[in-house]
Amino acid sequence: EAGVAQSPRYKIIEKRQSVAFWCNPISGHATLYWYQQILGQGPKLLIQFQNNGVVDDSQLPKDRFSAERLKGVDSTLKIQPAKLEDSAVYLCASSLDDPNTGELFFGEGSRLTVL
Amino acid sequence: AQKVTQAQTEISVVEKEDVTLDCVYETRDTTYYLFWYKQPPSGELVFLIRRNSFDEQNEISGRYSWNFQKSTSSFNFTITASQVVDSAVYFCALSQGSARQLTFGSGTQLTVLP
Repeated sequence: EAGVAQSPRYKIIEKRQSVAFWCNPISGHATLYWYQQILGQGPKLLIQFQNNGVVDDSQLPKDRFSAERLKGVDSTLKIQPAKLEDSAVYLCASSLDDPNTGELFFGEGSRLTVL
Repeated sequence: AQKVTQAQTEISVVEKEDVTLDCVYETRDTTYYLFWYKQPPSGELVFLIRRNSFDEQNEISGRYSWNFQKSTSSFNFTITASQVVDSAVYFCALSQGSARQLTFGSGTQLTVLP
C-alpha cells in the first residue's frame, strides 16, 4: 500500500514570496490533515479536511495560508506571502473515516526555509 | 483545553541500556486516545501505539512497552535493550472526540550510542 505522498521535499524562498505544497493521501482515506512542525517542536494542526470539506481550520493563519482539497483526494497548502517564521516542515497526514481507528499516517513532509 | 508535556528534551544512552520516555497529559474529557509516534531523521512520523482512555492495561510489543496510569495522567514509553536504530525523536500525542485531531508534545530526542 502506497503511503502519503508529499512534494516538494525541500523549498527555499525569500520572504514575501509564495509557495505551494502538494499532498496525495493514502487511497480511500477520507480525512486529510496539514500540520506545521517548527524545528524543536511537536507538529501543530493547521487544517483538517473530511472528503473535500473543512472540519477545522481554526489554527490556520488565513491572512497568508490557504488550503484546498478538490474532489476529496489531493490537497494543496499555499503560503502567500511567506514570512521568516513560516520556516518549518509541513506534514500531511491521512486517516480512515473510522472513529474506532484513530491512526494517522504521515508523509515525509515538505521542509520550507524562508530567507 | 488539552496539553501534552514531554519534560525530557534529550536523552542519551549506551546501546543495550533500558530507557523510559515520560509523557504527561491534560484533558477534561473522559474519552480520549493517547499515541506514541517515532520520527527518524527522514522526517516521517511512524505510528507506534494507540491507547484509549478506558484501557489502562500495560502493553508490550517486543522491546517496547507502555505504562498508562490515569491516576497520574501519564503514558510512559520504555525501550528495553536499546539499539542504535532506536535513535529518533519520539512524540507523545493526545486526541479526543471524533475529530481525531492530535495534540503533540514537544518530543524527546533519543540518542543511542554504540
